[in-house]
Formats: sequence, structure tokens, C-alpha cells
Amino acid sequence: AQRVTQPEKLLSVFKGAPVELKCNYSYSGSPELFWYVQYSRQRLQLLLRHISRESIKGFTADLNKGETSFHLKKPFAQEEDSAMYYCALSRGDDKIIFGKGTRLHILP
Amino acid sequence: DAMVIQNPRYQVTQFGKPVTLSCSQTLNHNVMYWYQQKSSQAPKLLFHYYDKDFNNEADTPDNFQSRRPNTSFCFLDIRSPGLGDAAMYLCATSREKGWSNQPQHFGDGTRLSIL
Repeated sequence: AQRVTQPEKLLSVFKGAPVELKCNYSYSGSPELFWYVQYSRQRLQLLLRHISRESIKGFTADLNKGETSFHLKKPFAQEEDSAMYYCALSRGDDKIIFGKGTRLHILP
Repeated sequence: DAMVIQNPRYQVTQFGKPVTLSCSQTLNHNVMYWYQQKSSQAPKLLFHYYDKDFNNEADTPDNFQSRRPNTSFCFLDIRSPGLGDAAMYLCATSREKGWSNQPQHFGDGTRLSIL
């Protein structure tokens, strides 16, 4: 069965410290992985996708097929990074499977 | 510049009383999705439309139905809401089918409460 696991419900990090939000997936095919973010009182929006190999707002994520992981990283946390982050998997059809999300709280 | 608009933001209905949630989009996207999100849980896909083709998820209760009268609008109908249907309902769109045409663009959601 396809599954996305985000083991941390809440992650608190001091401003300026590195951030790593963990995501593991189970899927037998070749998935497309995404990170979505929801800032306070805003809608869910795409942060980045693995196929683009891009850095958005200082965040990067590398797909590790051996470990079936797609962890989200940022070297230096900023206060505006506080938000809910969802890892998501697309199976190649129209459907996206979301993880339960990790709330990132940046401490001043 | 809201592109996916959900009305209302908050909806209260009585147990068993039918309720309709509305979603409209200005993106002219072909695909529209409805998700249910309960507290501390992942958004769960209920169904989606590709143009006029309706695709129901296998585990979506029969109580939930949807209509898409045109490209811009999509409705979620809950025929007889139960207490377990209280949740945030998210509408999303994508330009075309297939993961290469993601991302999905989300609305703000409608929070449904059942009395």
C-alpha cells in the first residue's frame, strides 16, 4: 500500500539553526514527491517537488530511493518558516497521498 | 487574487440535514478535487473530476456526492451528515491529469460543523 510517513508532529528549532523535516514513503513504483506548506491562516500551497531539483525559500529536498525518504532541509531557520509542512506522493495518476504533516515552530 | 474559492469558510448544519459546499476556480483547470481533512490528519481524497468525468475513491462513503456543472464550479453534497463528517473540506485544482501537471492549487477550505 502507498503510504507517506512524517514521524514528527511538531518540530521546534531555534532561529538560525538547521532544519530537517523527515518524510518516508512506501510505494513500489517510481513516485513523484512533493512538499506542501501551509502558513498560518493561508491555504495549502506547493513548496517544492523532487523532479524540479530546486531550492525554494532556502529549502531543498533530495529523493533517496534506497532509504525511501524525501526529507526537507534548510541550513538556517528563519522565523517566517513557522508553518505546517506536508510531504506528499503522487503515484503517476491524478492522486496525491499526503502525510499527516509536521508543524515547524521556529523559536526566536 | 484568489484562484480557487470555497464558500462558505465555515458551515454549520444539523445532524442528518443535507449540506452543499461550493468551490469555484478562475484557472480554467481541467481537474478538480475534493479532500476531507480531520484534525491532525492528512488530507484525504474523496473524489475528483477530470473535465466531466467523475472519479470516486473506493472508500468514499455513499453519503458524499459531487457535481460539476461547468469547468469553473464543483460542489460537494453531503446527503445526511453524521457527527463523523465534521472536518475541513478542501477543494483543489490541477491543470491536467498526471503528476507532471501538479501542483494542485488549493482553496482556503470550508470547515464543516455538525450539531
